[in-house]
Amino acid sequence: AQSVTQPDIHITVSEGASLELRCNYSYGATPYLFWYVQSPGQGLQLLLKYFSGDTLVQGIKGFEAEFKRSQSSFNLRKPSVHWSDAAEYFCAVDPNTNAGKSTFGDGTTLTVKP
Amino acid sequence: DGGITQSPKYLFRKEGQNVTLSCEQNLNHDAMYWYRQDPGQGLRLIYYSQIVNDFQKGDIAEGYSVSREKKESFPLTVTSAQKNPTAFYLCASSIEYSNGYTFGSGTRLTVV
Repeated sequence: AQSVTQPDIHITVSEGASLELRCNYSYGATPYLFWYVQSPGQGLQLLLKYFSGDTLVQGIKGFEAEFKRSQSSFNLRKPSVHWSDAAEYFCAVDPNTNAGKSTFGDGTTLTVKP
Repeated sequence: DGGITQSPKYLFRKEGQNVTLSCEQNLNHDAMYWYRQDPGQGLRLIYYSQIVNDFQKGDIAEGYSVSREKKESFPLTVTSAQKNPTAFYLCASSIEYSNGYTFGSGTRLTVV
């Protein structure tokens, strides 16, 4: 079955430390891949997206993500975390069937320690 | 500024009542979506529409209904047939399927 997995439910990092959030997908072909961020009680904001081409994509707020076809992964990274990055992060996959439907992972909650 | 407006932000209803959640966008996006979010879970697709006067069921459409009479509007009705309606509801739109979504700020529905 097609699926999106975010293995880490909760991650805590110190301010200024690096961050990597994991995302794995299970689809037949290379899908479209997205990362979103959600602050409590708010909607989601698109951080970055991957369609094709360069496997390292840059997004807003200093985030980047790397697509690894061999590992079916699309991990989100940030070199130095700020306290304002504390939020919930969702990986999403569109299977590229022209239906435009994205399937979301269950999310990873990021806590930033001072 | 363009965006998606969901209203109301909080909604309380008695069990057995139908309730309609509003979603309006001024982004000129063709596609619109309704997702449901429960604590500790990701988003689950309820309905989506890629063009006016057409919509498709998502993964959890039972107990919900939608309409798409205008490009800008995609209201969601939570009917009394929905067994567990208390949740956070998110509306989204996209200019094309590969571009990612723009989300509204959500409606938190509580049924008592």
